[in-house]
Amino acid sequence: GQQVMQIPQYQHVQEGEDFTTYCNSSTTLSNIQWYKQRPGGHPVFLIQLVKSGEVKKQKRLTFQFGEAKKNSSLHITATQTTDVGTYFCAGRATNDYKLSFGAGTTVTVRA
Amino acid sequence: GAVVSQHPSRVICKSGTSVKIECRSLDFQATTMFWYRQFPKKSLMLMATSNEGSKATYEQGVEKDKFLINHASLTLSTLTVTSAHPEDSSFYICSARWSQRESGEEQYFGPGTRLTVT
Repeated sequence: GQQVMQIPQYQHVQEGEDFTTYCNSSTTLSNIQWYKQRPGGHPVFLIQLVKSGEVKKQKRLTFQFGEAKKNSSLHITATQTTDVGTYFCAGRATNDYKLSFGAGTTVTVRA
Repeated sequence: GAVVSQHPSRVICKSGTSVKIECRSLDFQATTMFWYRQFPKKSLMLMATSNEGSKATYEQGVEKDKFLINHASLTLSTLTVTSAHPEDSSFYICSARWSQRESGEEQYFGPGTRLTVT
């Protein structure tokens, strides 16, 4: 079945630095979504990418969908303490109804 | 908009008893709801997909007789863990897909239910 792999599993970042988390699918995706889960909280939808090569920005967050629609990345610039949490990518394969979630990247920030 | 509630938020039950968890979409209609299970510091594992008015679709390895799902209306889905055992202790999260939205794909998650079976 479809597998979504996400790296790194943990990201410890100095406040103010940039980092990127990567998501790779074993199959071509119809779309990819990103969610953020704060410690003790539930996943919150961030964004959805649909088109090949699509790039979307949300303030300091930049999301990219690969040309082959099998990979995606989330880049955060000037990390802040509010960025702490686990970021999940979730992909829906073509001809599938469900999302497959990656393992998540748990981000901690040192001031 | 797009608020999903889940009740109860925490429940402790004795081994062998059953527990019902409710998932409600508060301000939109959800033809499809999903039930996930999340272990500590782990990802979301899809258990089943619940469609209003029809039988749920269970993922491989999930016992449908143990995890009973009912989606009686466009705003309510329930998950009943029957004859619960300590290994069923987990964080159960539901999500709902807002089918009327233009994109129609994103899922809105409930706050989750922490089940502890003693």
